[in-house]
Amino acid sequence: GQQLNQSPQSMFIQEGEDVSMNCTSSSIFNTWLWYKQDPGEGPVLLIALYKAGELTSNGRLTAQFGITRKDSFLNISASIPSDVGIYFCAGQLRGSQGNLIFGKGTKLSVKP
Amino acid sequence: DAGVIQSPRHEVTEMGQEVTLRCKPISGHDYLFWYRQTMMRGLELLIYFNNNVPIDDSGMPEDRFSAKMPNASFSTLKIQPSEPRDSAVYFCASTWAGDGYTFGSGTRLTVV
Repeated sequence: GQQLNQSPQSMFIQEGEDVSMNCTSSSIFNTWLWYKQDPGEGPVLLIALYKAGELTSNGRLTAQFGITRKDSFLNISASIPSDVGIYFCAGQLRGSQGNLIFGKGTKLSVKP
Repeated sequence: DAGVIQSPRHEVTEMGQEVTLRCKPISGHDYLFWYRQTMMRGLELLIYFNNNVPIDDSGMPEDRFSAKMPNASFSTLKIQPSEPRDSAVYFCASTWAGDGYTFGSGTRLTVV
């Protein structure tokens, strides 16, 4: 089936550092979404991207929809301890209605 | 809105027993999704509904799994008989017009 390759799988960083993670695919997507999951909870939507090249910010988070429509990245600036969690990218394939494909996640650990 | 509501939050059952997971989507949302999350396989789509009609159930592992959506405000995922390999966190999510899912808090199922 369709796959999203998300990297890195995990990150251990110091508080205050910037973080970058990305997702790539061989398929073309018409929507990219980034979610964060805290322990014991469901994923929560952080940022949604709808146009190739779109760059969107949400506080310290910035995400971009790749020009080729096959990739996306998420940056977190000046990380804080509450950024800890698992971050997922998700994409909706062109021509698909409703169904999202999820990456395997990036587990972020922040050392105070 | 209270968000997507799932019950129970935790379920421990013996192998061979029937398990029923419940979901109440956000009012007005026309898509409902059932996902399973494990460490090994990440988030896997099991089935999704549009306007209460099952659209794609190709992710349902086998005949032991069944899902229903009798009305716009309720869905169930049933496993009968349950097996230890069914142990996972099961998420329900809903959305309007396939745009940016909202997830429930999940049901952690343990089959012993």
